[in-house]
Amino acid sequence: QSALTQPPSASGSPGQSVTISCTGTSSDVGIYNFVSWYQQHPGKAPKLIIYEVSKRPSGVPDRFSGSKSGNAASLTVSGLQAEDEADYYCSSYAGSNNLVFGGGTKLTVL
Amino acid sequence: QVQLQESGPGLVKPSETLSLTCTVSGGSVSSGSYYWSWIRQPPGKGLEWIGYIYHTGSTNYNPSLKSRVTISGDTSKNQFSLKLTSVTAADTAVYYCARGDWNHCDYWGQGTLVTVSS
Repeated sequence: QSALTQPPSASGSPGQSVTISCTGTSSDVGIYNFVSWYQQHPGKAPKLIIYEVSKRPSGVPDRFSGSKSGNAASLTVSGLQAEDEADYYCSSYAGSNNLVFGGGTKLTVL
Repeated sequence: QVQLQESGPGLVKPSETLSLTCTVSGGSVSSGSYYWSWIRQPPGKGLEWIGYIYHTGSTNYNPSLKSRVTISGDTSKNQFSLKLTSVTAADTAVYYCARGDWNHCDYWGQGTLVTVSS
């Protein structure tokens, strides 16, 4: 069982917006602003798309945005495109020099 | 642009030690304020952070694996390595090496599958 909870699946039609949640506790997501999101296509390495809750690395489209409220973080993908279909993982600092991941969400573009 | 490449045996016997090396090009493991990490992913499952080595040589490990893990660096070869002792079938996974900050990784290797089986 993963430390952070994500829905197993999410879906949306092209052009729509989809939000993926990542629920932690007051010991990780709730207390630290060190939440990251990764996109992983089948057979490929994960790619960083959001770090420190809402920052985007260079080259990541602004269609991807992150936020946090209480013990939960969220990733929103706006203007869905076919290439956004992938697995998405959140991670958070959990104190005591520990990083934890969510179980992943499979995003399907209908 | 920094590139990372994992290498090592694809098959390890139970109770033995898993050893992997990550070779870095386009950047130096001994300079810059970067953390060099290992992350693994069991087949069909999610990601698990294993640990990292800082460019100064200091290390930090996942508490659940700490008793079995060692991450070390070889600046002469621009590599860093992972050793995981007393492996079981539960350690079967794709192992990734990556570079980044202490709380996220922005460059990843392609990953290497390690199967634990007799």
